[in-house]
Amino acid sequence: GESVGLHLPTLSVQEGDNSIINCAYSNSASDYFIWYKQESGKGPQFIIDIRSNMDKRQGQRVTVLLNKTVKHLSLQIAATQPGDSAVYFCAENGLTSNTGKLIFGQGTTLQVKP
Amino acid sequence: GAVVSQHPSWVICKSGTSVKIECRSLDFQATTMFWYRQFPKQSLMLMATSNEGSKATYEQGVEKDKFLINHASLTLSTLTVTSAHPEDSSFYICSLQGQLAKNIQYFGAGTRLSVL
Repeated sequence: GESVGLHLPTLSVQEGDNSIINCAYSNSASDYFIWYKQESGKGPQFIIDIRSNMDKRQGQRVTVLLNKTVKHLSLQIAATQPGDSAVYFCAENGLTSNTGKLIFGQGTTLQVKP
Repeated sequence: GAVVSQHPSWVICKSGTSVKIECRSLDFQATTMFWYRQFPKQSLMLMATSNEGSKATYEQGVEKDKFLINHASLTLSTLTVTSAHPEDSSFYICSLQGQLAKNIQYFGAGTRLSVL
């Protein structure tokens, strides 16, 4: 079946270091991927997205890399700040791309140490 | 992006009562909204897709008679948890489909439901 999973449940980094959060997906038909950030007690917040016809996309301090060969997605956060502490979810559109539905991974908790 | 307002942010109710959660799109007309449930330290689980003017589409295993969804206007969808029980205690989050970027979902702040 369809699944999106994350390699590590918790990532702890020092403030100022770069963070890399990984995600594996199983549905090779997925053509769209999103990273969301969820702070405690709040709804998910859109960070960055990427289509399957791209390998890399950059935003402000964030970069998403897509490796379709091994069905792997990563989110890189440069110069991690305490405000980056949150749970990060990857999501894919899977086989339901025409419905707008998203399939969410299990999430990685990012802890930033001062 | 899109501005999504969800209300209430937190509700405590007695077992057996019903609770209504509202999700509003503040800056554009949203034909499609989604309702999720999230348990502590878990991911988001899609409950149903709410379409304006038609019946909601529920995911497998979600009781439609227990979780009533009404999308009566292009800016408002409501989720009513009927006859709530302690096992219904969870974080409920709505989202709406982007107006231009339809693959992106924009989320409300969520509603923490505690059933005593």
